[in-house]
Parts: sequence; structure tokens; C-alpha cells
Amino acid sequence: GAVVSQHPSRVICKSGTSVKIECRSLDFQATTMFWYRQFPKKSLMLMATSNEGSKATYEQGVEKDKFLINHASLTLSTLTVTSAHPEDSSFYICSAQLAQKVGEQYFGPGTRLTVT
Amino acid sequence: GEDVEQSLFLSVREGDSSVINCTYTDSSSTYLYWYKQEPGAGLQLLTYIFSNMDMKQDQRLTVLLNKKDKHLSLRIADTQTGDSAIYFCAVPTGGGNKLTFGTGTQLKVEL
Repeated sequence: GAVVSQHPSRVICKSGTSVKIECRSLDFQATTMFWYRQFPKKSLMLMATSNEGSKATYEQGVEKDKFLINHASLTLSTLTVTSAHPEDSSFYICSAQLAQKVGEQYFGPGTRLTVT
Repeated sequence: GEDVEQSLFLSVREGDSSVINCTYTDSSSTYLYWYKQEPGAGLQLLTYIFSNMDMKQDQRLTVLLNKKDKHLSLRIADTQTGDSAIYFCAVPTGGGNKLTFGTGTQLKVEL
């Protein structure tokens, strides 16, 4: 149980276009999902906390207009990178929180975004 | 904010024990976590320890917590090649609403 999927797993897009990444909890309902960004050989950087039915809470320094998050249902959150630029190239990982233990997060397999 | 530090690399021989260390600054954390990340994949929750415990053992994994020194360690007994991965400790922060991850330790297991 507690499986989280992400789609797509890899995407290459041109500079200036927008890319949507989906995060789904497959066998449980997640009131809270998290979006992280990971640079090569670096730790995970929390971008935002996504709560179903409400606006996402963004971390300091993360542009909310550039990284649009929509938590449409208890099993789906989406991250849209708008007007992508090469510096947005990264590994994006989502996680879904099970129950009320914030550390018990179940992670998706990640999405590798390359902006050319 | 919370600082969570780990050594970047660890190399061990197959069959030996691995010890991965983590230090943190926020002493109000109730649970502390260890995650494993294999190449090109997301993170997998390995184990966790409650802050009022000193030690927790789960098969080959042993977690030690020194709350006074704010030091957490993960010991992997009989390390196998399949244990090669990046290991992250994680500490709840922001009032317990989110996790701060350590810098990650890349474990390499050699034959």
C-alpha cells in the first residue's frame, strides 16, 4: 500500500513553454502533498505544501506564479512550471502524507525536467 | 531555520557494517526519520525513531539517537550491494508541518 505515482517520469521542453506534472496517491487519500526539487547530488528542497481544497503554502524564495500548484482532489496534486527556462531543469519529486504524521510521507518516483 | 547535516560519502565493503551520521539543530522534533533514495528514484521511508527513545532496531537497521548532542545515526548491519543509495535523515520542522532533509550520504558498497 501507500503508492504514489508521478507523471511524466521525464520531460524535455523548449524554453518558454509550460509543463504540468501530476502526482497521484493510488491507494490512499492524502489531504496534504508536498512538492520538492532536487539538484544533482543535493538534498531535497521543499517548494510548497499542497492541501486539498485550499491554496498551496510556498516556501520562501519559491515563486508561486511560476510554480502553480493545484490540489484538485484527495488523490491528485499538480505542479505546473510556467514559462520554463533552462535554470528550471531539475528533478521534481512529490510526496503524499499518510495520516497525521508529517514524516510518514510516501514519495513519487520523481520527474526529470530538462528545459532546452 | 533547522540545519540538518550529514557527511556526503561513505564507502564500505560488502558484509561490513555501515554507520551514517546526522546532526540537527531543532530539539523539539518528536520523530526523526531515515529515508533511502536509489538512483533516479523517489525516496523510500526506511525507519523512524521517537525522540524519547535512545535506540530502535529493525532487522538489519539500528537507529541511535543522542538527544543531548542532537545526533542521530543509522547503522546497517551486513551491508549488501543493494544497500548502495543515498540516505537522508529528516526532521519535522515548521511546527511539525513539514520535513527538513539532511544533505544526504551516498553509500557505496564495494565487493
